[in-house]
Amino acid sequence: AQSVAQPEDQVNVAEGNPLTVKCTYSVSGNPYLFWYVQYPNRGLQFLLKYITGDNLVKGSYGFEAEFNKSQTSFHLKKPSALVSDSALYFCAVRDNQGGKLIFGQGTELSVKP
Amino acid sequence: NAGVTQTPKFQVLKTGQSMTLQCAQDMNHNSMYWYRQDPGMGLRLIYYSASEGTTDKGEVPNGYNVSRLNKREFSLRLESAAPSQTSVYFCASSSRTAEAFFGQGTRLTVV
Repeated sequence: AQSVAQPEDQVNVAEGNPLTVKCTYSVSGNPYLFWYVQYPNRGLQFLLKYITGDNLVKGSYGFEAEFNKSQTSFHLKKPSALVSDSALYFCAVRDNQGGKLIFGQGTELSVKP
Repeated sequence: NAGVTQTPKFQVLKTGQSMTLQCAQDMNHNSMYWYRQDPGMGLRLIYYSASEGTTDKGEVPNGYNVSRLNKREFSLRLESAAPSQTSVYFCASSSRTAEAFFGQGTRLTVV
């Protein structure tokens, strides 16, 4: 069965600094990987995905993620954090048979001025 | 274009009562999902439907049943609600390989 781990419950970053939110996964075969963001009392919004191709994926709001097959990781990054990036971030994986979409436990990102 | 619509948005149940959460999508997606979100636990998959007429258990299916009524609709039923089912429930839909789209959630409290 597939699984996702987000090893950090919370990440604190100063505004203007780079940020990284970590994600590792386990799945049979090649993975489909996703990042979502959730603002307070809202649903989930899609940020970016890796299906195939270039290991560096660019998404919404200046976010990007790097797929590393050997380390089974898909870390979310942004070169310069904004206070408005403060939210809950979820990594998710689906196996390449198009099956279940499994989420990690989430990482709370706090960006301080 | 409504996307994924969940009803109701809020519900309070007494222990032992039953209810059905409704979900409908208008994006012609084959796959639909029900999740629950609890603090510190992330989103946990309750049930999944790969296509009309098929359903499969997720990570936490106990205490729930689902019906994939047609391609658009995927309902979640609590037959005898328990306080442990107090949570925020999200419905989502997707095509086979693409990202999932989420509803706005149902906040359920069981007292």
